[in-house]
Amino acid sequence: AQSVTQLDSQVPVFEEAPVELRCNYSSSVSVYLFWYVQYPNQGLQLLLKYLSGSTLVKGINGFEAEFNKSQTSFHLRKPSVHISDTAEYFCAVENNAGNMLTFGGGTRLMVKP
Amino acid sequence: DTGVSQDPRHKITKRGQNVTFRCDPISEHNRLYWYRQTLGQGPEFLTYFQNEAQLEKSRLLSDRFSAERPKGSFSTLEIQRTEQGDSAMYLCASSAKLAEQGDTQYFGPGTRLTVL
Repeated sequence: AQSVTQLDSQVPVFEEAPVELRCNYSSSVSVYLFWYVQYPNQGLQLLLKYLSGSTLVKGINGFEAEFNKSQTSFHLRKPSVHISDTAEYFCAVENNAGNMLTFGGGTRLMVKP
Repeated sequence: DTGVSQDPRHKITKRGQNVTFRCDPISEHNRLYWYRQTLGQGPEFLTYFQNEAQLEKSRLLSDRFSAERPKGSFSTLEIQRTEQGDSAMYLCASSAKLAEQGDTQYFGPGTRLTVL
């Protein structure tokens, strides 16, 4: 069975400050990890994904994430946030059959001016 | 716009009524997924289709729920005898089977169901 834990339900941060959203996963099989963003009243949009290779993955909107196998983590980072980054962020792990995502509970990023 | 579309966007119904939602995936995507998202939670997997075949169903999908994907194109999710606990956002996603794993799932805007 797989599970995802997002340690922070809310992260307030000032505009132009750096941010890290934490994600830990549990999986007994090959690990494929994803970060999605959800803006109010919208569906989920893929930010980035890790399949293999370099542990540092770059995504859209200036976000990046680092896969750490020993710590079973996949934290999302951005060096300087904007007001428009205010949204809900979800970390997810894919199952071995490649047909299901298991999501964490989400982290609400609140960027303040 | 060639993304995943869902209809209706909002549905309010009374307890005990039946409801049906529709999802139109991205053209030529052969994989289609349904998820449910309750307030303040992450999406939870409900079911998965590859073409017209329903290959995976979650334990969350009780016998009041049924999903179909005739002809491997659009899909419908029906809930019979709705209960207040069914109130949630129902999300549809689709992907192209390019690899065994790691394909990106593209999500629609969701259908928000409120059961009174």
